[in-house]
Amino acid sequence: AQKITQTQPGMFVQEKEAVTLDCTYDTSDQSYGLFWYKQPSSGEMIFLIYQGSYDEQNATEGRYSLNFQKARKSANLVISASQLGDSAMYFCAILYNINKFYFGSGTKLNVKP
Amino acid sequence: EAQVTQNPRYLITVTGKKLTVTCSQNMNHEYMSWYRQDPGLGLRQIYYSMNVEVTDKGDVPEGYKVSRKEKRNFPLILESPSPNQTSLYFCASSRKYQETQYFGPGTRLLVL
Repeated sequence: AQKITQTQPGMFVQEKEAVTLDCTYDTSDQSYGLFWYKQPSSGEMIFLIYQGSYDEQNATEGRYSLNFQKARKSANLVISASQLGDSAMYFCAILYNINKFYFGSGTKLNVKP
Repeated sequence: EAQVTQNPRYLITVTGKKLTVTCSQNMNHEYMSWYRQDPGLGLRQIYYSMNVEVTDKGDVPEGYKVSRKEKRNFPLILESPSPNQTSLYFCASSRKYQETQYFGPGTRLLVL
């Protein structure tokens, strides 16, 4: 069964605008963690933001925020004021079953000048 | 500098020739993990290790072996590589399993 879904293979956004990248997940666990990673064309994986399932506040890290809707099992990444350097692949991941990670298939974001 | 290193970064080999991809971290992390990345599939976990001498299968362990004899090292072994193991491989580590993982630079493997 698919554990984590990113439905947007590719997206475009105008520079300086905000963009939301979708992520939904499927788990019956009560305790889990949600992560977002960025992979630029150079290939490295860069951690962006983390949300624990018991966290009541949505996580924020600079221009990144996580719109966590537990009942809907969604954990969308919001990037405010997009920059050209934000062009990359973005992966959502879930940690559950204590110690197993599952990644989504990714969303390729292109920021247009 | 805190980092996860992988070697080699690029490798071309032939079917059936045993190979090892090394992974080392200098952050004293307990949790280490191997992933493979294929187009359209994201990253899939191969094996993980909660600590020294403690390893377990991830989502796609077939055709791979690992060992964790020291805390800092977590090599990935392909005993008899096949073309379907052509992929981009990442090693990652974290202080504890539930914390942020730090990734190595990746190893691009081509099996002919």
